[in-house]
Amino acid sequence: AQSVTQLDSQVPVFEEAPVELRCNYSSSVSVYLFWYVQYPNQGLQLLLKYLSGSTLVKGINGFEAEFNKSQTSFHLRKPSVHISDTAEYFCAVIPLAGGTSYGKLTFGQGTILTVHP
Amino acid sequence: DTGVSQNPRHKITKRGQNVTFRCDPISEHNRLYWYRQTLGQGPEFLTYFQNEAQLEKSRLLSDRFSAERPKGSFSTLEIQRTEQGDSAMYLCASSGTGNTEAFFGQGTRLTVV
Repeated sequence: AQSVTQLDSQVPVFEEAPVELRCNYSSSVSVYLFWYVQYPNQGLQLLLKYLSGSTLVKGINGFEAEFNKSQTSFHLRKPSVHISDTAEYFCAVIPLAGGTSYGKLTFGQGTILTVHP
Repeated sequence: DTGVSQNPRHKITKRGQNVTFRCDPISEHNRLYWYRQTLGQGPEFLTYFQNEAQLEKSRLLSDRFSAERPKGSFSTLEIQRTEQGDSAMYLCASSGTGNTEAFFGQGTRLTVV
């Protein structure tokens, strides 16, 4: 089984400041990693994903994340946030297996990012 | 392609009533997933279809819950004898052969009063 821990439930930050949202996971097998964003009363939108290759992955809206296998982490970063980045962010994993099901995700509890002017 | 569509967007029901939600996946996506998201939590997997076959069900899916995907296209999630603890956002997602991600709908928010 897999588990995901998002270390901060809320992160307040001022506009144009950098931000890091932390995610750690636990799994007995290798995993694929994802970050999703959820705006109020909306579904989830994929920001970025790590499947293989370079451990630094770039996503939409200027976000990036770095996979660290030894620390079992996948922290999300953005060098300069905007008001419009205010949302809830979810880290998620799926286990690598034959016939990997990319929709059967284990999510963390979420981090609410609030960007202040 | 209009994305994953869920109806209704909001549903208020009295405790003990039955409710049914519908999910229309992206066309030609053969896999469809249901999740439940309670306030302040991440989504939790409920069940998964490949075409019309229901391949997996979570322990969260009690006997009061049933999901179908009769023709391998749209899916329905029914909750019988609703309880206040069923109040949540119900999310649907789909993916297809060759996709390495799931695409989510906007969800149905259920409030049981």
